[in-house]
Amino acid sequence: DVKVTQSSRYLVKRTGEKVFLECVQDMDHENMFWYRQDPGLGLRLIYFSYDVKMKEKGDIPEGYSVSREKKERFSLILESASTNQTSMYLCASSSAADMNTEAFFGQGTRLTVV
Amino acid sequence: KQEVTQIPAALSVPEGENLVLNCSFTDSAIYNLQWFRQDPGKGLTSLLLIQSSQREQTSGRLNASLDKSSGRSTLYIAASQPGDSATYLCAVDSNYQLIWGAGTKLIIKP
Repeated sequence: DVKVTQSSRYLVKRTGEKVFLECVQDMDHENMFWYRQDPGLGLRLIYFSYDVKMKEKGDIPEGYSVSREKKERFSLILESASTNQTSMYLCASSSAADMNTEAFFGQGTRLTVV
Repeated sequence: KQEVTQIPAALSVPEGENLVLNCSFTDSAIYNLQWFRQDPGKGLTSLLLIQSSQREQTSGRLNASLDKSSGRSTLYIAASQPGDSATYLCAVDSNYQLIWGAGTKLIIKP
């Protein structure tokens, strides 16, 4: 069974803290994505990666960075957390083998910044 | 720029009814379209993927159609059950990125 695992379901962090959200997939997928989801705004792409050590900005990269040192792991970093980064964060992966592959999602991390 | 719209934003129907959820997109140059389900506070579960060359896909009580020329997809749910209550999202794979609709919140009343 395919699996995308996010390290935490719920996180509470203080303003100014450095926050790491971890995502691991066991499907040997090349592509990995980080989204945030907010009521009324839908899913918005933060960053994505097509390969190890590669990263591309999505629609809303400000205030975030990412790291992909290994193929199976894609980390989202909030350099200095702010209250407007309180959100549901979703990680996804997909194969680059062809252009018609499903995206698989983790269970999400609900981050609250206080 | 690709835009994806889902109508209606919310839908409530009695158990047992057949129903249709709609998804429209502005640029027909897509690789595929996916339908997802999301339960409250949880991640997304892929339901169906329709490739750009296909017209429809079926899985159990679900049937998704795709009309690229008109920029439309529908998700048909037969004999709805309370367990079908969730938010349904469609996403278009356009230039290797998923472009998302805002979702339809579905409530099936017992």
